[in-house]
This record gives sequence, structure tokens and C-alpha cells, in this order.
Amino acid sequence: EDQVTQSPEALRLQEGESSSLNCSYTVSGLRGLFWYRQDPGKGPEFLFTLYSAGEEKEKERLKATLTKKESFLHITAPKPEDSATYLCAVQDSNSGYALNFGKGTSLLVTP
Amino acid sequence: GAVVSQHPSRVICKSGTSVKIECRSLDFQATTMFWYRQFPKKSLMLMATSNEGSKATYEQGVEKDKFLINHASLTLSTLTVTSAHPEDSSFYICSARDFGTDTQYFGPGTRLTVL
Repeated sequence: EDQVTQSPEALRLQEGESSSLNCSYTVSGLRGLFWYRQDPGKGPEFLFTLYSAGEEKEKERLKATLTKKESFLHITAPKPEDSATYLCAVQDSNSGYALNFGKGTSLLVTP
Repeated sequence: GAVVSQHPSRVICKSGTSVKIECRSLDFQATTMFWYRQFPKKSLMLMATSNEGSKATYEQGVEKDKFLINHASLTLSTLTVTSAHPEDSSFYICSARDFGTDTQYFGPGTRLTVL
């Protein structure tokens, strides 16, 4: 059975204080690993897709990396507007195109 | 990025009534759409996969007679909550798969409150 575990559950950072969020996964065959950002009361916003170990993608202050067992979302010099819940999801090649989500990391960046 | 809309964004209804939620992909065609449910401070739970022109595939434990899904075109899927009860109150979110990028884009969600 596919499993996605995100840590920490919550993270509080000072503005400019870099950190990383972790997503550990177990899947029979990885089709893709997805990162989304979700603001309260809104739908998830797509950030990145990673397909194979060693792959990295960047967007502004965010950088996502992938190994065979986990993915990291690195946040460099965060700003208060980066505060949100970050969701990781895996797509199992044996389960069609459905996404299996982790519980998310709630990030708060204070000025 | 691709845009997915949902309507309505918020609905309040009486127990026993039915509610229809629309999900549209605005700038791409989606042969596959998904419906999720999210409880407060919880992650997204997949309810069903909606395929254009065919029957939806429901996840284990989801009542197909209560949550009717129709995917009549490449840009529209609907979820009808039939005979709604207070325990159906939740945040319902749809997503649409962009075949070209193999990415799921999510709608803004619909907050359903059943009194």
C-alpha cells in the first residue's frame, strides 16, 4: 500500500531563515512525485513534479529534490507570503493517475 | 498555469436536499478529473476518478449512490451530493489532469454546509 509521510507537521521560521520540508514515500512504482501549496480555504496550487531520483526543480525561493525514498522541499530565505501548507503527493504507476497525498507541513514565516 | 474553476464556491442547504457542484477546466481538455474531500486541518482524501464518457471509479468506502459523478465533456465534471446530511458537510475539491503535462490542477474548492 502506498504511503506518504510528511515532516515536520508544522514549522515556524523567521523571515530569511532557510529550512527544508521532508516527504518520505513508499510506492510500488513511482510515476511522479508532486508538490503543492495550499492556502487556507483554497484549492492546492501546483508547484513541482519530480519523476526520477536525482531530479531537482527550482522556482523562486523553492527547490525540490528527489531520492528513491524521499523528497525535500528547500525554502531559501523565506518571506511571510510563503506561509501556507505544503502538500506532497505520489502517483503510483500501478494505480492510474490518482494522487496519494501526505498530511502536509504547515509553514508559518514571521517577519 | 492551467486554470480549473469550481461552482459554487460555497453552498448551504437543508438536510435531505441535493447539491450539484461543477468543475471546469478552462484552458485545457481533461479526459480525467478527480474529486477530493478535505476535513479541517486534514489532507485531501480521494473520493472518485471521473473519466469523460464513462462511469466514475469510486474509492473504497465512498457511496456511489450518494455522490453522483458525471463527466459529460472534456472540460466539465459534476458532483451531485444526493439527500445531503450534516455529516456530508465538508470542503470538496476537484482536479483536472492536463494530459500534455501529466499534471493535476486543482479547483478552488466548494464549502458545503448541510443544516
